[in-house]
Amino acid sequence: DIQMTQSPSSLSASVGDRVTITCRASQNIGSFVNWYQQKPGKGPQILIYAASSLQSGVPSRFSGGGSGTDFTLTISNLQPEDFATYYCQQTYSSRTFGQGTNVEIK
Amino acid sequence: QLRESGGGLIQPGGSLRLSCAASGFSISNNYMSWVRQAPGKGLDWVSVLYSGGRTFYTDSVKGRFTISREESTNTLFLQMDSLRVDDTAVYYCARENTAMLPGALDIWGQGTMVTVSS
Repeated sequence: DIQMTQSPSSLSASVGDRVTITCRASQNIGSFVNWYQQKPGKGPQILIYAASSLQSGVPSRFSGGGSGTDFTLTISNLQPEDFATYYCQQTYSSRTFGQGTNVEIK
Repeated sequence: QLRESGGGLIQPGGSLRLSCAASGFSISNNYMSWVRQAPGKGLDWVSVLYSGGRTFYTDSVKGRFTISREESTNTLFLQMDSLRVDDTAVYYCARENTAMLPGALDIWGQGTMVTVSS
């Protein structure tokens, strides 16, 4: 099974900051990575698919990168509505989520 | 949109069937997944039903859970048997958008809570 190791598990940041979350796959998965945002009590929403493609309607301050085993989600100019939990997901072989990163207000 | 129902409190070893009613698209023409989230924990993929009918499950539910659909009502199901305490979670159904990337979940329901406890 492919494991997705996400880091950090949590971070504190301020409005306007640039934040980067990383995900490492246990084997080469090409660009088969998606990123989701989840707010308390709600279902997740997709932000990025195929490692770097921005989902329609998602603000351009969100960006994804990487290929192979190392992937990143970057939020530039962090906004109040961005404080949430973020998950990576691999779909190269079956489907696996990372452990999540909780982005908190500093 | 997707709307789940059928969750509740069930004793270990019991059975429960979750439903997910879809509107605005045909579940038969899409890959449909179930994803769960234990209280305070992360997302855990459970099962997928391809448009062609193939099914796949995470190892921990193989032989206990069955995913299916009913085209006439545009409803996805998850039959859960031999339930265990560690199956306790919010269960979400979600649509996979294969035009984006196989496995990319672009529409999610609000979730239904399943509690397995004696």
